[in-house]
Amino acid sequence: AQSVAQPEDQVNVAEGNPLTVKCTYSVSGNPYLFWYVQYPNRGLQFLLKYITGDNLVKGSYGFEAEFNKSQTSFHLKKPSALVSDSALYFCAVREGGYQKVTFGTGTKLQVIP
Amino acid sequence: EAGVVQSPRYKIIEKKQPVAFWCNPISGHNTLYWYLQNLGQGPELLIRYENEEAVDDSQLPKDRFSAERLKGVDSTLKIQPAELGDSAVYLCASSLDRSEQYFGPGTRLTVT
Repeated sequence: AQSVAQPEDQVNVAEGNPLTVKCTYSVSGNPYLFWYVQYPNRGLQFLLKYITGDNLVKGSYGFEAEFNKSQTSFHLKKPSALVSDSALYFCAVREGGYQKVTFGTGTKLQVIP
Repeated sequence: EAGVVQSPRYKIIEKKQPVAFWCNPISGHNTLYWYLQNLGQGPELLIRYENEEAVDDSQLPKDRFSAERLKGVDSTLKIQPAELGDSAVYLCASSLDRSEQYFGPGTRLTVT
C-alpha cells in the first residue's frame, strides 16, 4: 500500500530565510508526487508535481521540490520565505498508473516577520 | 477559467437530518473526487468518478452516504442521516486524466 509521511507538524522560519518542508513516501512502483498548499478556509491549491525526468521540480510562487529516489523523499523548498507563504502544506503520492492519491497529514508553515 | 465550484460553503444541521453538497468541476475535467477533511488532517478520499462512473468508492460509508454524477459533469454528495462524527470539511476536486487535482473551497459541515 502506498503511504506518505510529513514528519513535522509545524515548521517555523524567519522571513527571508530558506525553508524546507519534508516529505517521505512509500510505493511499490514508480511514484507520482505532488505538493499542495492550503490557506485558511480555502481548498487545496496545486503547487508542483514530479512524474518523471529532472529530479528538481519548479512550481508556483517560487517553490521547488527535489525528488530523491534512494531516500524516497520529496522535500519542498524555497530560497527565501515570505510571510504570505504561511499556510498548511500537503505532500501527496500516487503509484504510477493508479488513480488513488494518498495525502500526508500536512505541515503548518509559519513565516515570522 | 472558472475553478471548482462547491455549495453551500457552510452548513449546520441537527443529527439525524439529511444534507447534500453540490460540486461543479472545471469544464472538461473527466475525473471528479469527493474528500473528507478533518481539522489538522489531510484529505481522505470518499469517492472518485471517471466521467459518470464511480470507480473507487471503497471508503464511502454506504449505509449513510451516497453520491451521484449523472451526466458526467456536476456531482452531489448526500448524507442521510447525519451523525455528530460527520462534522468536517467536504472537499470536491477535479482533474484531467491522471494529472494534478484542482480543489474547490469546500463545505464545512457542523452536525449538532
